[in-house]
Amino acid sequence: NAGVTQTPKFRILKIGQSMTLQCAQDMNHNYMYWYRQDPGMGLKLIYYSVGAGITDKGEVPNGYNVSRSTTEDFPLRLELAAPSQTSVYFCASRPADRYTDTQYFGPGTRLTVL
Amino acid sequence: GEDVEQSLFLSVREGDSSVINCTYTDSSSTYLYWYKQEPGAGLQLLTYIFSNMDMKQDQRLTVLLNKKDKHLSLRIADTQTGDSAIYFCAESRVGGKLIFGQGTELSVKP
Repeated sequence: NAGVTQTPKFRILKIGQSMTLQCAQDMNHNYMYWYRQDPGMGLKLIYYSVGAGITDKGEVPNGYNVSRSTTEDFPLRLELAAPSQTSVYFCASRPADRYTDTQYFGPGTRLTVL
Repeated sequence: GEDVEQSLFLSVREGDSSVINCTYTDSSSTYLYWYKQEPGAGLQLLTYIFSNMDMKQDQRLTVLLNKKDKHLSLRIADTQTGDSAIYFCAESRVGGKLIFGQGTELSVKP
């Protein structure tokens, strides 16, 4: 298993540009999450999904959109990039396991908006 | 408040024990987690503890949970330079969402 994969690893955007951060998992996990990590801070939840076709907002959803058309993929869309979206973005997934809600993280995408 | 709190920095000598502390807020959290983040990498699950446990030991790692004070700690025995990283505690919320602390940067000096 590749686990959770994210692309790209790095990206520089200009203000107002748009892009999609890709996330995929091959573990057949129902739940998927997007977090952002600002310097010196913990992770903040942007959006999450409990299964294909179902998404919901986290703590900091403004400026982002998501979709979940398949179990494997959970892309994050930035429509009008702003400097405040400069951050490291992590995708995570977990199985629908009632005994633990351990999440498995991807390696992250480092995004800079200038 | 809503925050999970950790001290930001800890420096120890190689071979010493490290203790990283965390306070959380939601007394109904089912699981509490410790994750490790090495430079430029994603988060790696180190260990977790179920809320009805007081202690969990896993090789060099010992997790202590004080539910009354909502205090969680991670002890690393015989700390090595390879343990240098940022350590995050996290509490679980409804829907399996995790709330993270700011992270404690552990520096291990030879």
